Amino acid sequence: GQNIDQPTEMTATEGAIVQINCTYQTSGFNGLFWYQQHAGEAPTFLSYNVLDGLEEKGRFSSFLSRSKGYSYLLLKELQMKDSASYLCACETGANNLFFGTGTRLTVIP
Amino acid sequence: DADVTQTPRNRITKTGKRIMLECSQTKGHDRMYWYRQDPGLGLRLIYYSFDVKDINKGEISDGYSVSRQAQAKFSLSLESAIPNQTALYFCATSDPRGEKETQYFGPGTRLLVL
Repeated sequence: GQNIDQPTEMTATEGAIVQINCTYQTSGFNGLFWYQQHAGEAPTFLSYNVLDGLEEKGRFSSFLSRSKGYSYLLLKELQMKDSASYLCACETGANNLFFGTGTRLTVIP
Repeated sequence: DADVTQTPRNRITKTGKRIMLECSQTKGHDRMYWYRQDPGLGLRLIYYSFDVKDINKGEISDGYSVSRQAQAKFSLSLESAIPNQTALYFCATSDPRGEKETQYFGPGTRLLVL
């Protein structure tokens, strides 16, 4: 079977750093996506990892360990607008994405 | 203008009615997808199409059908709506060319089946 685990909710303070973890077991794995979704809106692309290691893009970084079935999204210098759900998704083949249930992040002043 | 549009944005219907949700895109992507999102369950794939002549079932296709009328249009039909089809529906597109195949999502259709 396929499974993605990520925390349901997290809270962090404005200006701080937060790490959102994702572990996965899937049949077939090409890469891992992170999407951001504000309440009631469409998911928007944040990052994609296919090789092990850290990918940095501005305030957001994403890490992948294929051997451990593990990824994390790191958000630095948190802003209030970063309050959203963060979706971990595994690309399982032919661009089929299997999504986790998402982590709802609340940034507090 | 938005690259991926969905109509209607909100819809209320009754059990047993047939309804169609439409998706259009101006991105020129060959691949299109329909997902539904339910609280606590995440996004689940209903159907996908890699080109106009290609239709594939996703994880939860029962009770749904699709039509790819053109490269830019992909519609989802509920032949006889039931209350557990109440959900937020997203259309997405992607382009297989390039380094990574990111999916781009439309704004969603919120469907309530009474």
